Amino acid sequence: GAVVSQHPSWVICKSGTSVKIECRSLDFQATTMFWYRQFPKQSLMLMATSNEGSKATYEQGVEKDKFLINHASLTLSTLTVTSAHPEDSSFYICSAHRSSYNSPLHFGNGTRLTVT
Amino acid sequence: GIQVEQSPPDLILQEGANSTLRCNFSDSVNNLQWFHQNPWGQLINLFYIPSGTKQNGRLSATTVATERYSLLYISSSQTTDSGVYFCAVSSGGSNYKLTFGKGTLLTVNP
Repeated sequence: GAVVSQHPSWVICKSGTSVKIECRSLDFQATTMFWYRQFPKQSLMLMATSNEGSKATYEQGVEKDKFLINHASLTLSTLTVTSAHPEDSSFYICSAHRSSYNSPLHFGNGTRLTVT
Repeated sequence: GIQVEQSPPDLILQEGANSTLRCNFSDSVNNLQWFHQNPWGQLINLFYIPSGTKQNGRLSATTVATERYSLLYISSSQTTDSGVYFCAVSSGGSNYKLTFGKGTLLTVNP
């Protein structure tokens, strides 16, 4: 079955530093990947749509200069949290869609980011 | 955008009991998925079910797209069923961009 790999699974960083999270589709090509954020005891909120070979599309209220997304190949999208602050601490989950219609979205295992 | 409402928000069961979780959505959908999020945060895809009925072991799901709701049935619940169950849908031009409900927190006691 389809597998989406996300790395790292958890990371602790200091305020002001940047953190990169990788999302890979392991056995299929994904022209579109999605990045979600989940705060404790809340639902998943879509942050942005990552499009291979073009700019990401950000949801309203998400700062594109703070959350840099790069989708350089059909199997890899990266999310970089720049100049992280404690309020960026959250659970970040990526998802990918196999390039065929009427198929489910597959999710990575998430990255728990803690900014101290 | 599309609205997704899940009920109940919390559910406590004794092991062996059956339960029904509901997902209402505000517009026609071209994708609906049910997920179980375990205590480690992993999202387990239970069903891809934009319409119709599916069964997988003790779990089954039904989506009545014309009436804009979906149901997830859990029979003979086990403690390992505990966690948050999310319904997520997409509509319009993209059937990939999912909007999540707020989830149902299920606790199964031994």
